[in-house]
Amino acid sequence: AQSVTQLDSQVPVFEEAPVELRCNYSSSVSVYLFWYVQYPNQGLQLLLKYLSGSTLVKGINGFEAEFNKSQTSFHLRKPSVHISDTAEYFCAVRGNYGQNFVFGPGTRLSVLP
Amino acid sequence: DTGVSQDPRHKITKRGQNVTFRCDPISEHNRLYWYRQTLGQGPEFLTYFQNEAQLEKSRLLSDRFSAERPKGSFSTLEIQRTEQGDSAMYLCASSFGGAVNEQYFGPGTRLTVT
Repeated sequence: AQSVTQLDSQVPVFEEAPVELRCNYSSSVSVYLFWYVQYPNQGLQLLLKYLSGSTLVKGINGFEAEFNKSQTSFHLRKPSVHISDTAEYFCAVRGNYGQNFVFGPGTRLSVLP
Repeated sequence: DTGVSQDPRHKITKRGQNVTFRCDPISEHNRLYWYRQTLGQGPEFLTYFQNEAQLEKSRLLSDRFSAERPKGSFSTLEIQRTEQGDSAMYLCASSFGGAVNEQYFGPGTRLTVT
């Protein structure tokens, strides 16, 4: 079974500052990793995913994440945030058997002017 | 392609009543998922269909919950004898083929049981 931890429930940051949202996972098998964003009153939208290959993954809206197998982490970063990035961010993991996605509890990013 | 749609968007019901939600996936998507999301939590997997076959169910899916996808297109999720603990956002997602296919999520149905 897999599990996902997002240590920061809320992250306030000023506009144009960098941000890192942390995600750690546990699994006994190889995993695929995902970051989703949920804007208010909208469905979840995929930001990026790690399947294999390069550990640095680039996604939409200037976000990127780095897979670190030894630390079982998949932290999300953006060098300069905008007000429009204010949303809930979810890290998710799926084992390489089965279709079940396991989501973390989410991190609420608030970008302040 | 209008994306994944869910109906209704909001449902208020009294404890003990039955409710049914509908999900219309993206038309060419063969896989359909149901999740439940409570306040402050990430989505929790409930069940998954490939075409019309229900292939996986979470232990969260009690006997009061049933899901169908009769023709491999839209799906329904029914909750019988609702309880206050069923209050949550119910999310539907769909995907097409592949082992690590992206799931496209609908806007959700918010259920409030009074």
